[in-house]
Amino acid sequence: QVQLVESGGGLVKPGGSLRLSCAASGFTFSDYYMSWIRQAPGKGLEWVSYISSSGSTIYYADSVKGRFTISRDNAKNSLYLQMNSLRAEDTAVYYCARVKTICSSTSCYQTDAFDIWGQGTMVTVSS
Amino acid sequence: QSVLTQPPSASGTPGQRVTISCSGSSSNIGSNTVNWYQQLPGTAPKLLIYSNNQRPSGVPDRFSGSKSGTSASLAISGLQSEDEADYYCAAWDDSLNVHVVFGGGTKLTVL
Repeated sequence: QVQLVESGGGLVKPGGSLRLSCAASGFTFSDYYMSWIRQAPGKGLEWVSYISSSGSTIYYADSVKGRFTISRDNAKNSLYLQMNSLRAEDTAVYYCARVKTICSSTSCYQTDAFDIWGQGTMVTVSS
Repeated sequence: QSVLTQPPSASGTPGQRVTISCSGSSSNIGSNTVNWYQQLPGTAPKLLIYSNNQRPSGVPDRFSGSKSGTSASLAISGLQSEDEADYYCAAWDDSLNVHVVFGGGTKLTVL
């Protein structure tokens, strides 16, 4: 079945680094745009980053720009988030999500909705 | 402070119809479509409504979405106990360096 499984979360000290991974299965990963979204404990959802299917287009939220790097390996069906210079306010559950794509008989287009979510991986930044 | 504004809470009794509002601006809801997500306690969010009023397969038709100007609404009819969850609206934002924005979430309680 269609599935996303995140890994790589954990406890890290302020200023430290962590690399999150998201393994995709059950669909053609290379056809889909992907995103990372986070949720601080007891708080709402915050979009973090977005990458096109080929990796040629990337966006970041201002809160992580210059510190986080999104990437993907389509041969490995995997999405990554390299997080550097971590701060206490980066503490959150990090979800990878697939961007919903709608296809007609002749073409496909990406919506701005996230139709498949992983279970999330917790990142705690604390000394 | 979220870019999209939702009421923090809503409630209803089984069988009732409830609506959740989402208010934005011309750079997000006013010029882009709205999506809604349901997050049951302790689970990942789930896409409930996309493109303002479209339901993914498997989502009951008790859930419906609408948009007018810079506001959107999620309606749940025939409320059931399993609908108790957090609901989030979201939209693309055309402002410089802002891409996807979420509402702060509405906790729906089924009394």
